[in-house]
Amino acid sequence: DVKVTQSSRYLVKRTGEKVFLECVQDMDHENMFWYRQDPGLGLRLIYFSYDVKMKEKGDIPEGYSVSREKKERFSLILESASTNQTSMYLCASSLIREGETQYFGPGTRLLVL
Amino acid sequence: AQSVTQPDIHITVSEGASLELRCNYSYGATPYLFWYVQSPGQGLQLLLKYFSGDTLVQGIKGFEAEFKRSQSSFNLRKPSVHWSDAAEYFCAVGARGNTGKLIFGQGTTLQVKP
Repeated sequence: DVKVTQSSRYLVKRTGEKVFLECVQDMDHENMFWYRQDPGLGLRLIYFSYDVKMKEKGDIPEGYSVSREKKERFSLILESASTNQTSMYLCASSLIREGETQYFGPGTRLLVL
Repeated sequence: AQSVTQPDIHITVSEGASLELRCNYSYGATPYLFWYVQSPGQGLQLLLKYFSGDTLVQGIKGFEAEFKRSQSSFNLRKPSVHWSDAAEYFCAVGARGNTGKLIFGQGTTLQVKP
């Protein structure tokens, strides 16, 4: 069965802290994605990766970075968390073919105080 | 550039009533089209997708969607809604020749009245 896991369901951090969100998939997918979900805005792509050590910016990369050292793991890093980064963060993975389904993790709800 | 619009932010239907959620897309060619559902506190689950061929697509949980090229639409339907269908629904579009990126709509929240 397909599985995408995220390291935390809920996180509370303080402004200025460095935050790591981790995502692991067990499907040998090439693509991995990080989205941010906010009410009324749907899902917005932050970064995606199509191979180990490869990454591309999405629509809202400012304030975020990513790391993909192993095929199954994709990390999202908030270098200095700010209150406007309070949100739901969703990780997904897919094969690197057009029209492929993206499989999602359960999400991490981050609160920055 | 591709875009997806879900005109209805919030819809309320009675249990047992029929449902139609609207999705309009903007894309120069025929895209790949998806409907996902997100139950409270969960990630997104694929309901169905249009790849090519038959424009009426059947999905899980009794849902179906119809691709209408002339209207640039991919509306989701269900003949009889169950209370467990209360969730947020997202339409998404992927470009041909793309490596798998999707553009998501804003989402429609479905409330089911008993």
